[in-house]
Amino acid sequence: DTEVTQTPKHLVMGMTNKKSLKCEQHMGHRAMYWYKQKAKKPPELMFVYSYEKLSINESVPSRFSPECPNSSLLNLHLHALQPEDSALYLCASSQLGTDTQYFGPGTRLTVL
Amino acid sequence: SQKIEQNSEALNIQEGKTATLTCNYTNYSPAYLQWYRQDPGRGPVFLLLIRENEKEKRKERLKVTFDTTLKQSLFHITASQPADSATYLCALVDTGRRALTFGSGTRLQVQP
Repeated sequence: DTEVTQTPKHLVMGMTNKKSLKCEQHMGHRAMYWYKQKAKKPPELMFVYSYEKLSINESVPSRFSPECPNSSLLNLHLHALQPEDSALYLCASSQLGTDTQYFGPGTRLTVL
Repeated sequence: SQKIEQNSEALNIQEGKTATLTCNYTNYSPAYLQWYRQDPGRGPVFLLLIRENEKEKRKERLKVTFDTTLKQSLFHITASQPADSATYLCALVDTGRRALTFGSGTRLQVQP
C-alpha cells in the first residue's frame, strides 16, 4: 500500500468552529508532514513529526494544532480559523533517512 | 537567504516536442534534488531524485540533470503528450532542518 489518505476531501467551516483533518499511511513511514498550499503557490511546510514526536513547527499560529496518535495517523485540529487560512492542506509521509515524500490528495478548506 | 527559483511560471509546447524546465537555487549545498508533478487540486507526486554526484538521471521519457557548479537542475520531458500537462516542482532538502523546500513550480501545457 503506497497511498496516503486524507479526510475529508472538502471542508467548509465558520470562524468559531472546531474541526479536524485526518491523514493516514500504512507504508511504515516514521516521518509525517503537514503542508499548506495556496492557489498557484508551492506547498509550504507547517509541521513535521518524526517517530510520533513533533520535530518542526514552522511558527504556525496556535489555531492549528497537530497531533500524531500513532505511527500511521496524523491529525490537524483547527480552531478559530481566519478566512485567509482557506487553502489546500496536504499531508505527506516519508521513510526516515530518505526525503522522498508521498503526498495525500489534500483537504480543500474554506473558512467563512 | 536561501532561494529556489523555477524560471518559467508557465510553459506551452506542442505535442511531440521536448519540454525543458529549469530550477536554480542559491545558498543551498544539496546532497540531492527532487522533482515532483502536481495536478490541479491534488497532492504532488514524486518523479525523480538526482544526487550531487550524478550528472544525469533518466526514467522513461523523463531526464534530469544536476550541475552543482551552476547550482541548477534541468528537467526534460521528451516526446511530450497532453497528459504531461501539469505543474512541475523542484525541491531541495534544507539539511539543517531535514525538511523539503519547494520551488515555485512551472505550469506545463502541452498542446495537441
